[in-house]
Amino acid sequence: GIQVEQSPPDLILQEGANSTLRCNFSDSVNNLQWFHQNPWGQLINLFYIPSGTKQNGRLSATTVATERYSLLYISSSQTTDSGVYFCAVGGGSNYKLTFGKGTLLTVNP
Amino acid sequence: GAVVSQHPSRVICKSGTSVKIECRSLDFQATTMFWYRQFPKKSLMLMATSNEGSKATYEQGVEKDKFLINHASLTLSTLTVTSAHPEDSSFYICSARTSGGDIQYFGAGTRLSVL
Repeated sequence: GIQVEQSPPDLILQEGANSTLRCNFSDSVNNLQWFHQNPWGQLINLFYIPSGTKQNGRLSATTVATERYSLLYISSSQTTDSGVYFCAVGGGSNYKLTFGKGTLLTVNP
Repeated sequence: GAVVSQHPSRVICKSGTSVKIECRSLDFQATTMFWYRQFPKKSLMLMATSNEGSKATYEQGVEKDKFLINHASLTLSTLTVTSAHPEDSSFYICSARTSGGDIQYFGAGTRLSVL
């Protein structure tokens, strides 16, 4: 199956800093989603981005499908951005997602 | 739009009892629903894929007789943990895919504690 690697595993920032999270995957995909898991466990959809670039407020994401990676950019980070960020990919017709191990982001005031 | 409701959010039960978890798509029809399990500080692991009106497809290593999945309508799937044991304690999360779409939307999860 598809392998998904996320980096870095942990990231500590001061409020206001910018950050880039990376997701590498081992095979071609037709689905890539970024999620933020809040401290209560809820997975919040950030982006559906199997290719291209999208922006939503302080967040943006880019997927270069031909090179098998995706990047999530967080600008002007806030303490509420803290949590685990997951990348999940799917490559078949069964719509399954394979999750990476996540990046634990801590934003300090 | 695309709201998935999961109930209960937390359940504590005695060893040997069965627990049912519901996953509902509130504002869309979900041809396919998925059930995941997450251990503390770990990633999500897919347990099974649930298609409306047909038997669930379980991932390798998941006991289908222990984790019973029913997808009786386009808006409801249930996961029943039968004869629960302490090692079944975990965070269970469901997701739903809109008909004709690729995006999965997730419920808030159920934290199961088996005593």
